[in-house]
Amino acid sequence: GAGVSQSPRYKVAKRGQDVALRCDPISGHVSLFWYQQALGQGPEFLTYFQNEAQLDKSGLPSDRFFAERPEGSVSTLKIQRTQQEDSAVYLCASSPSRLAGTSGANVLTFGAGSRLTVL
Amino acid sequence: GQQLNQSPQSMFIQEGEDVSMNCTSSSIFNTWLWYKQDPGEGPVLLIALYKAGELTSNGRLTAQFGITRKDSFLNISASIPSDVGIYFCAGQVILVGTSYGKLTFGQGTILTVHP
Repeated sequence: GAGVSQSPRYKVAKRGQDVALRCDPISGHVSLFWYQQALGQGPEFLTYFQNEAQLDKSGLPSDRFFAERPEGSVSTLKIQRTQQEDSAVYLCASSPSRLAGTSGANVLTFGAGSRLTVL
Repeated sequence: GQQLNQSPQSMFIQEGEDVSMNCTSSSIFNTWLWYKQDPGEGPVLLIALYKAGELTSNGRLTAQFGITRKDSFLNISASIPSDVGIYFCAGQVILVGTSYGKLTFGQGTILTVHP
């Protein structure tokens, strides 16, 4: 597609439920990032994929958070046993290259995000 | 947690006025970026800066990469109502031994423009 697509756009979960958030990056993009954005804050890094390989998961808050990108395209962020503090917007972003931002050709394109509310 | 200090937190201005916001960090970044986020949307890149001292313009927007690599500012000239939104600075480091970098975002500046 033309942009990064995320679904669902809105998710309400009861505390303790498991949720899965999907990201469809721009076709052919090698790099994929997940960020978490709490209300009134800037996004915070969660994890990074280069194709199907998860190269960095240092930002995942706990072992309840799990991300995968099995075929190097679509990615899923799964949160198990959701807690109220998990309420946030989860942003996915992709870029065409494995190389970091050294030129305008490799800038990140963000999706609109999935807003998770845990009651 | 976040390392960037972005100011001001919010601004209320009249249409036609100029706006300035800045970010400072205790750490050095390889790249500085400025994003705008509208409600219900993801951040959209406005300007990217790749070299210390670099001054870059994009229409009415001008941004600079501080010479110390620890700060950056964004100026918007002759503001218009559609400039309303949240502006974020972001710094990127290229991690040693890797070819990728992750972004650290500031807390955002909420801009309101009165017609």
